[in-house]
Amino acid sequence: AQSVTQLGSHVSVSEGALVLLRCNYSSSVPPYLFWYVQYPNQGLQLLLKYTSAATLVKGINGFEAEFKKSETSFHLTKPSAHMSDAAEYFCAVGGSNYKLTFGKGTLLTVNP
Amino acid sequence: DAGVTQSPTHLIKTRGQQVTLRCSPKSGHDTVSWYQQALGQGPQFIFQYYEEEERQRGNFPDRFSGHQFPNYSSELNVNALLLGDSALYLCASSDISGSNTGELFFGEGSRLTVL
Repeated sequence: AQSVTQLGSHVSVSEGALVLLRCNYSSSVPPYLFWYVQYPNQGLQLLLKYTSAATLVKGINGFEAEFKKSETSFHLTKPSAHMSDAAEYFCAVGGSNYKLTFGKGTLLTVNP
Repeated sequence: DAGVTQSPTHLIKTRGQQVTLRCSPKSGHDTVSWYQQALGQGPQFIFQYYEEEERQRGNFPDRFSGHQFPNYSSELNVNALLLGDSALYLCASSDISGSNTGELFFGEGSRLTVL
């Protein structure tokens, strides 16, 4: 079985500040890990993915995440927040069966 | 290149009714999965269709059923609607027979309200 825990249902940062969204996973097999973003009243857009290649993964819009097996973590970061980053972010774990298990999400607020 | 398209975008039903949601996968994709996203929650896996058969199923009752057509499009049917079925229903497509990235491409969703 696989599971995801996202620490912090709501994160608030100032524009230009570091963004850090936390994700821990549990998986009995080598995981594929994903971060998706959801803007209001929209579907999910893939930010980045880890599929057993490089442990530091770069995604769209300046986001990146690092896979740490020893900590079972896959935290999402961005050096400088922009107002347009305000959205809900979901961490997900999956595998070669293309079935994803999502966390409950973290709502990111960016203050001017 | 059209992405994943879903219809309808919004619909309102009453308890006990039945609903059908439709999904066309991204061009070149052969697999469709359905997820339910309740308000304030992450998406929950309902089931996955590949080669017109249900391949995997999440923890959802038999009231939830689906179908995949030869052109890879899919339908999600929910019978005997309950208030708790109110949610955003997301369709996701993937290319199981091609790449092995585990990545899903999502549509914009169908928002179902049950009164």
